[in-house]
Amino acid sequence: DAGVIQSPRHEVTEMGQEVTLRCKPISGHDYLFWYRQTMMRGLELLIYFNNNVPIDDSGMPEDRFSAKMPNASFSTLKIQPSEPRDSAVYFCASSFQGGNQPQHFGDGTRLSIL
Amino acid sequence: AQSVTQPDIHITVSEGASLELRCNYSYGATPYLFWYVQSPGQGLQLLLKYFSGDTLVQGIKGFEAEFKRSQSSFNLRKPSVHWSDAAEYFCAVGYDKVIFGPGTSLSVIP
Repeated sequence: DAGVIQSPRHEVTEMGQEVTLRCKPISGHDYLFWYRQTMMRGLELLIYFNNNVPIDDSGMPEDRFSAKMPNASFSTLKIQPSEPRDSAVYFCASSFQGGNQPQHFGDGTRLSIL
Repeated sequence: AQSVTQPDIHITVSEGASLELRCNYSYGATPYLFWYVQSPGQGLQLLLKYFSGDTLVQGIKGFEAEFKRSQSSFNLRKPSVHWSDAAEYFCAVGYDKVIFGPGTSLSVIP
């Protein structure tokens, strides 16, 4: 089975540009999570969806960040405008039924904002 | 407040030696408990999980963890470490929304 697929794997862009990160969860999973990982702050939950509906976006840093899940097989995380402090590795994870089920992580997108 | 602590930022062990990584949590009730491992450039992979029942749980790659309610701890152990175990280890707790600890980086000396 294919795991969680994230694209791109690496993104380098200039400050002020729009950045879109993409995620395809594992087929059949009904929970999708977006995380950000940095050396300073560790692994932070940004937002998670259940059945394509955003449940908790309290971790989204500010209005420059937005996430959508138009269908069960696709989600995007958008940053507009991007800033150097947004540089991090962004992970997408999915799980079936949440709760006691483990999350399956993609390999992440390494984002560098110059 | 809900939180997860991993007191050891970095641990170095010799290959073949035993390993214990510590995890303590603060939560309203006994949450679901997980250990994940992250190799460089990759996402996190589940090692093991605890929900209820036997407090000693077995995971993949020869790892085990013991849940101690009285200490709010869920320590990860391995009797004999292999060089390939060098990675970052994360303890996590919660329900739908899981809180991850800061991680412990493991180095293995040949």
